[in-house]
Amino acid sequence: EPEVTQTPSHQVTQMGQEVILRCVPISNHLYFYWYRQILGQKVEFLVSFYNNEISEKSEIFDDQFSVERPDGSNFTLKIRSTKLEDSAMYFCASRPQGARSPLHFGNGTRLTVT
Amino acid sequence: AQSVTQPDIHITVSEGASLELRCNYSYGATPYLFWYVQSPGQGLQLLLKYFSGDTLVQGIKGFEAEFKRSQSSFNLRKPSVHWSDAAEYFCAVESPNTGNQFYFGTGTSLTVIP
Repeated sequence: EPEVTQTPSHQVTQMGQEVILRCVPISNHLYFYWYRQILGQKVEFLVSFYNNEISEKSEIFDDQFSVERPDGSNFTLKIRSTKLEDSAMYFCASRPQGARSPLHFGNGTRLTVT
Repeated sequence: AQSVTQPDIHITVSEGASLELRCNYSYGATPYLFWYVQSPGQGLQLLLKYFSGDTLVQGIKGFEAEFKRSQSSFNLRKPSVHWSDAAEYFCAVESPNTGNQFYFGTGTSLTVIP
């Protein structure tokens, strides 16, 4: 069964550094998402992406965050200048259509900002 | 505002016992409903989904859930729990009227004792 893959599985970075989290969504999916989960807390929506542009973003997704689909397969999340509070598990998800279809999640990237 | 409530933060059951995990949502119309399971270090795996029709839905791993409109609930059940069911369970709501966003509950952690 096709899977959403995320790399790396764990990223450690220093405060103020830029990080790029990478995702390869399922190939025939059209809608892409980033979520994050701070340890012990709920899964929070960051951003959705469709047709090469952001379709919706949350309050968390401020100017420090950006997403890109640089080619036909990758979907990246960039954090320009990381803060301690960015430490979390970041999940990429995709789905084939925009409604009435479940999200398919990757295994996540654990980001640790020191 | 849309919200998803999972009242039980942590549940412990004996192997072989039945299980019910509660989920309540606050939404103006019938949303699309999902249950996901997260094993340690893993992403979120879809257990089952409800869009319309029969209010009792069957999922993978022997799980089922029942949509009750009058109670705004979508509780997850399993007749006989296995040790491998120990995980974090998330209820999620897709909101058709707000860009088909997914909203997750805070999760219920399930411990299974022999």
